[in-house]
Amino acid sequence: DSGVTQTPKHLITATGQRVTLRCSPRSGDLSVYWYQQSLDQGLQFLIQYYNGEERAKGNILERFSAQQFPDLHSELNLSSLELGDSALYFCASSVGLPDTQYFGPGTRLTVL
Amino acid sequence: DQQVKQNSPSLSVQEGRISILNCDYTNSMFDYFLWYKKYPAEGPTFLISISSIKDKNEDGRFTVFLNKSAKHLSLHIVPSQPGDSAVYFCAANRVFGNEKLTFGTGTRLTIIP
Repeated sequence: DSGVTQTPKHLITATGQRVTLRCSPRSGDLSVYWYQQSLDQGLQFLIQYYNGEERAKGNILERFSAQQFPDLHSELNLSSLELGDSALYFCASSVGLPDTQYFGPGTRLTVL
Repeated sequence: DQQVKQNSPSLSVQEGRISILNCDYTNSMFDYFLWYKKYPAEGPTFLISISSIKDKNEDGRFTVFLNKSAKHLSLHIVPSQPGDSAVYFCAANRVFGNEKLTFGTGTRLTIIP
């Protein structure tokens, strides 16, 4: 158990819908990262927050957004969902910058 | 542009023998490298890391070697155990640059009892 929690574990929705994925970092970790893993792909970095502020952006679509709240939990919002958005979405956290990242169990999103 | 490459999608090794997983990178700005292990339906678990100022780091059965001139790193697991069967990802970043991790596509290691 890495100490990073993600909810929900599974999410099934339809094209065009919007969903919110939630991540709670390890106690004391200020930095949160979101990654996407599509079928048979490596993990692709989406976005990073540090102590509430956006720190870095990767290949994140404009339909996707995220935020980190004052209690340091983070939410990833995915809107206008397409079939190709079906993937595993992982959250990771670290103490600061830079530091080893610890991953949550992931949310499996299925878009039908 | 795949900056971190794991060219072997799968590897099978006899229990008790050495497992060697390889990783190549193209970005010479990377200076911190990590290996993660991933079981199905779980998040990646951090295994071991190495800074570019070192060429070797050991932690129990796991050793990571870094060859900066060849832009190559490898993970050695000895002796290999059935519980080591998983997908292994190497990752890299710049310590004082953009801190995001760039991952390889993974190698599926199967330990044969």
